[in-house]
Amino acid sequence: QKEVEQNSGPLSVPEGAIASLNCTYSDRGSQSFFWYRQYSGKSPELIMFIYSNGDKEDGRFTAQLNKASQYVSLLIRDSQPSDSATYLCAVNTYPLSNFGNEKLTFGTGTRLTIIP
Amino acid sequence: DTAVSQTPKYLVTQMGNDKSIKCEQNLGHDTMYWYKQDSKKFLKIMFSYNNKELIINETVPNRFSPKSPDKAHLNLHINSLELGDSAVYFCASSTGDTSYEQYFGPGTRLTVT
Repeated sequence: QKEVEQNSGPLSVPEGAIASLNCTYSDRGSQSFFWYRQYSGKSPELIMFIYSNGDKEDGRFTAQLNKASQYVSLLIRDSQPSDSATYLCAVNTYPLSNFGNEKLTFGTGTRLTIIP
Repeated sequence: DTAVSQTPKYLVTQMGNDKSIKCEQNLGHDTMYWYKQDSKKFLKIMFSYNNKELIINETVPNRFSPKSPDKAHLNLHINSLELGDSAVYFCASSTGDTSYEQYFGPGTRLTVT
């Protein structure tokens, strides 16, 4: 079973500090990595994606990939109360055998709370 | 100008009934998906269609049947609903296969009583 693991939290971070979210994956063949933010009662919203060719920064968000250790991280600088949500890591995974298809496998999410 | 839309938003029904959820995307994407998010918030793929062709069919009971009349629409029909089917069902779409970013609809909260 190809897995994506996240610490479920809750992770509490003071407003203005850096929030660091981590995700580990088991499929060495994975090449696409996504971070989704999900507010309570809402749908997942794509906030960052990176491919196996490096890190990415977008505003206050930075996604980093460590392929050797098989983990992906999301850093949120200058954390705001509006960043309080569950963050889902997703990785494209390949079937263990000749049966099945490539698919997006999600972690169980990390609940982030920004404390004013 | 909603990108991915689903109807209905809420669905409350009794065990044994048959129900359908509809999804439409106006992003011009080729691939659409159905996901199930359970009470523990775990999001899991159920089906995927690429240009009306079924390409992902996870271990899902036969009571669930997807249909894609065209590449902008993907519906989910559920027969003989069971209590365990209660969950939030999300539709999503992407430009290509699962290497590409997926965009989610607002979800349909299904409650089976």
